[in-house]
Amino acid sequence: DTGVSQNPRHKITKRGQNVTFRCDPISEHNRLYWYRQTLGQGPEFLTYFQNEAQLEKSRLLSDRFSAERPKGSFSTLEIQRTEQGDSAMYLCASSLGQGFREKLFFGSGTQLSVL
Amino acid sequence: AQTVTQSQPEMSVQEAETVTLSCTYDTSESDYYLFWYKQPPSRQMILVIRQEAYKQQNATENRFSVNFQKAAKSFSLKISDSQLGDAAMYFCAYRRGTQGGSEKLVFGKGTKLTVNP
Repeated sequence: DTGVSQNPRHKITKRGQNVTFRCDPISEHNRLYWYRQTLGQGPEFLTYFQNEAQLEKSRLLSDRFSAERPKGSFSTLEIQRTEQGDSAMYLCASSLGQGFREKLFFGSGTQLSVL
Repeated sequence: AQTVTQSQPEMSVQEAETVTLSCTYDTSESDYYLFWYKQPPSRQMILVIRQEAYKQQNATENRFSVNFQKAAKSFSLKISDSQLGDAAMYFCAYRRGTQGGSEKLVFGKGTKLTVNP
């Protein structure tokens, strides 16, 4: 169990460019979540997967954002035509099970800066 | 929509002393869970303690305990015998029950805890 891994740790991009982040969950965890955290705020839910199925998407997830989890393993979050307002930390979490006993394991996040 | 409010942006405590962090929430649901997460400078969110809404008994985990007041919709975290390693951002979070509910967590804005030696 090596924990939830996120890459890259930092990403600096110019406005209008596309960026992609990767999350590798703990192996055999069937649920994977993406959250966004801006400075001075708590994390905000973006989307989650159970296996390869994307079960819920937040209204925060505009059409410039897309997430995938092929084969129910790693996940990618892509932002197209980045805007300065997209600057934030993007957190990934994974879990096994549901209900009260579900415990989320978070990665260390990808810090995105859009210039 | 559910909301979580942490009214203390920053708190400080002397090492070995006790500190209480406040959290209130708003919901019309009867089945839900409440959590406290810790986020150290490493950025990785770590679960500190959790509480089921239907349980009246307050949860405890070693030096960490909660005061859950369901009628007041209050969920405070008490840290006893504070240690330097407790310094971090602390987030209160809410989650609906899973009977047809969303799996997502709703977080407060956080409280930055400083532990003074």
